[in-house]
Amino acid sequence: AQSVSQHNHHVILSEAASLELGCNYSYGGTVNLFWYVQYPGQHLQLLLKYFSGDPLVKGIKGFEAEFIKSKFSFNLRKPSVQWSDTAEYFCAAEGQGGKLIFGQGTELSVKP
Amino acid sequence: GAGVSQSPRYKVAKRGQDVALRCDPISGHVSLFWYQQALGQGPEFLTYFQNEAQLDKSGLPSDRFFAERPEGSVSTLKIQRTQQEDSAVYLCASSLVSGQGTYEQYFGPGTRLTVT
Repeated sequence: AQSVSQHNHHVILSEAASLELGCNYSYGGTVNLFWYVQYPGQHLQLLLKYFSGDPLVKGIKGFEAEFIKSKFSFNLRKPSVQWSDTAEYFCAAEGQGGKLIFGQGTELSVKP
Repeated sequence: GAGVSQSPRYKVAKRGQDVALRCDPISGHVSLFWYQQALGQGPEFLTYFQNEAQLDKSGLPSDRFFAERPEGSVSTLKIQRTQQEDSAVYLCASSLVSGQGTYEQYFGPGTRLTVT
């Protein structure tokens, strides 16, 4: 069965530090991949998605992710984080019928 | 425009009680998904509707869980004889169409269920 794993449970950074959150998926075929973010007290919202084409995808708020098929990875990056990026981040793969298979989530805390 | 709404936002139930959780998707969205999110975990798929048809219920953890979407819009997730392990946030999401990654799933705020 498809699965998604995220390497870090909790990441603490200072403002202006660079961010990379790891995500690996298990499925070997064509796969659509997503990063969702949940800010404190808010609902899940889409940061970016990959379903074909350029493996480097750009999302909202300066986030980007790179799809590396040979490594089954879809890591999220941001060159310089801000305090407002404090949130929980979820990587997800699309399964049959469009259902999303989520990783465990990574809590990001950014110190001002 | 209006997003996905869910009610109630919080529900406390005594063990053994039945509960009903409501989801109002974005108008015109064909697909509707339910997910369960336990504390400290990512959301896990429960069930999926396309219009009024329930196409996948493979994620429902037991026959105490039942979902419906009789007119292809509002959906209700019902849990009978609640158990403590049912305590979680129940998320609803809707999208225009599903299955190709092209259309974003929009999530509601969730219902936090606590079973005491």
